[in-house]
Amino acid sequence: EDKVVQSPLSLVVHEGDTVTLNCSYEVTNFRSLLWYKQEKKAPTFLFMLTSSGIEKKSGRLSSILDKKELFSILNITATQTGDSAVYLCAANSGGSNYKLTFGKGTLLTVNP
Amino acid sequence: DAGITQSPRHKVTETGTPVTLRCHQTENHRYMYWYRQDPGHGLRLIHYSYGVKDTDKGEVSDGYSVSRSKTEDFLLTLESATSSQTSVYFCAIRSDTSSYEQYFGPGTRLTVT
Repeated sequence: EDKVVQSPLSLVVHEGDTVTLNCSYEVTNFRSLLWYKQEKKAPTFLFMLTSSGIEKKSGRLSSILDKKELFSILNITATQTGDSAVYLCAANSGGSNYKLTFGKGTLLTVNP
Repeated sequence: DAGITQSPRHKVTETGTPVTLRCHQTENHRYMYWYRQDPGHGLRLIHYSYGVKDTDKGEVSDGYSVSRSKTEDFLLTLESATSSQTSVYFCAIRSDTSSYEQYFGPGTRLTVT
């Protein structure tokens, strides 16, 4: 059975802090690892990672994948209150229909 | 934003009644997915479609059926709603290119009393 585990489940930080969110996965015929941000509405796409060791970056957010150790991290530097959200990690398994298996998410709260 | 709408956005229904949720897309994407999201469980796949009239089950398909008679519409039906089906339901789409990312609709909050 495909499995994605995120840690921590929740995290409270102060504005300006740097945070690291973790995602480990066990899926059949792994293809890619995706990160989403969810703020009381639909998840919005952040990154997709397919290759080990290549960092994806968007502003203060960055992510990297380790396919040997089967994990990914999402870093957020200089956090802002607007970063408060649930961050979801999902692994894409092989096959033609590209199903995603999601982790339970990390609830990040950034206090002013 | 991807052109995905869901209807209704909110619904309250009674146990035992049938319910149909609609997902409509304007992107002409081949793949469509239905998820439910519950506290402590994250997003779980109910059913998905890989083309008109082509559907398959996800990990939590019991009690649900789907239909896709047109590319743009994917319907999720609860034949006889139960309280355990109270949840937020999200539809997602994916293009038929090599990219794997899915884009989500706004969600439907369903309460079964």
